[in-house]
Amino acid sequence: NAGVTQTPKFRILKIGQSMTLQCTQDMNHNYMYWYRQDPGMGLKLIYYSVGAGITDKGEVPNGYNVSRSTTEDFPLRLELAAPSQTSVYFCASSPLTGPPLHFGNGTRLTVT
Amino acid sequence: DQQVKQNSPSLSVQEGRISILNCDYTNSMFDYFLWYKKYPAEGPTFLISISSIKDKNEDGRFTVFLNKSAKHLSLHIVPSQPGDSAVYFCAALGAGTYKYIFGTGTRLKVLA
Repeated sequence: NAGVTQTPKFRILKIGQSMTLQCTQDMNHNYMYWYRQDPGMGLKLIYYSVGAGITDKGEVPNGYNVSRSTTEDFPLRLELAAPSQTSVYFCASSPLTGPPLHFGNGTRLTVT
Repeated sequence: DQQVKQNSPSLSVQEGRISILNCDYTNSMFDYFLWYKKYPAEGPTFLISISSIKDKNEDGRFTVFLNKSAKHLSLHIVPSQPGDSAVYFCAALGAGTYKYIFGTGTRLKVLA
């Protein structure tokens, strides 16, 4: 099993550009999450999904969009990149039975 | 509003001694707590968890203690090893919710 796979690993964006961070899991987990990690700020929840077609906002959703059309995939969309979105983004999933969360290895995004 | 707090950004411990990492929370609705370990350039990995119906959970060298009245949990690592050097995050899950809220992390350095 690959677990949670995130692509790309690194990306540099110019201000105003858009991009999609990809996340896929092969564990048939119902719940999926997007977090961002800023230095000294821990992991902040951006969006999460409890199943295909269902998404909800986390602590810091502004500037992001998500969709969940399949159980496996949970892409995160940045429409108008801003320097404040420079961060490391982690996707995670968990089964219907509950914790723990399983994380991918992250996408390091720089917006200049 | 930081609901889960790790007030020590860093901790250094001699190899073989005990490492104690602390975590405080403010939301009394949290009923499940987890500890994650994170190495550079990798995603967080699950370490140990505890339900609010318990006050202690042990797994090998790792023990988590929960003091509900103080809204405090701690992770004990005995004996500490150089490979334990990493950033440790505590996380909390509210009853009937799917949102994992993370602390800001503590960087542990185990000195050989």
